[in-house]
Amino acid sequence: DGGITQSPKYLFRKEGQNVTLSCEQNLNHDAMYWYRQDPGQGLRLIYYSQIVNDFQKGDIAEGYSVSREKKESFPLTVTSAQKNPTAFYLCASSIVGAYTEAFFGQGTRLTVV
Amino acid sequence: SQQGEEDPQALSIQEGENATMNCSYKTSINNLQWYRQNSGRGLVHLILIRSNEREKHSGRLRVTLDTSKKSSSLLITASRAADTASYFCATPTHEFYFGSGTKLNVKP
Repeated sequence: DGGITQSPKYLFRKEGQNVTLSCEQNLNHDAMYWYRQDPGQGLRLIYYSQIVNDFQKGDIAEGYSVSREKKESFPLTVTSAQKNPTAFYLCASSIVGAYTEAFFGQGTRLTVV
Repeated sequence: SQQGEEDPQALSIQEGENATMNCSYKTSINNLQWYRQNSGRGLVHLILIRSNEREKHSGRLRVTLDTSKKSSSLLITASRAADTASYFCATPTHEFYFGSGTKLNVKP
């Protein structure tokens, strides 16, 4: 089945530690995106990538880093520089084009303990 | 940014009633999309309306678009308890930006 998979579903991190969230898609999509969602809030764009080995910052990139070494994979690292990392993180992918829709994973809930 | 903003922020209705939510945006678009998010899950695409379209239907969903007012509305007819979710609009260009959403509660 084609889809977009995020893992793990729940993640706990100690303060001061970096942590990497996984996002894999087998939809053959060129574009991939990372969003952060705080309780009761909308989605804020962290990073996006439209092609392998290239990515752009979104509105809230500080404290996060990404890589895009393979078309299928777009991991997000939450670094210790991110002051308030506890949130729900969503990954999405799409075809690059004018009338395309975004496909979302089921999210990773990160909690700093 | 290109993000749309939805209103109302929250809407509570009885099962069987219609639910209407609105989206306003700031710049020119080539399409507008509506998504649904169940609590604790990812977003799911509902419907896309192109800038040269004024109305589109999909099952119990009806979307309108008024490019002169830079606004869109999503109507869910004969709502069900299972429609309880948050609804977001997006006006994509090179990326997808979403607003804060409308949280719909359909009471059985």
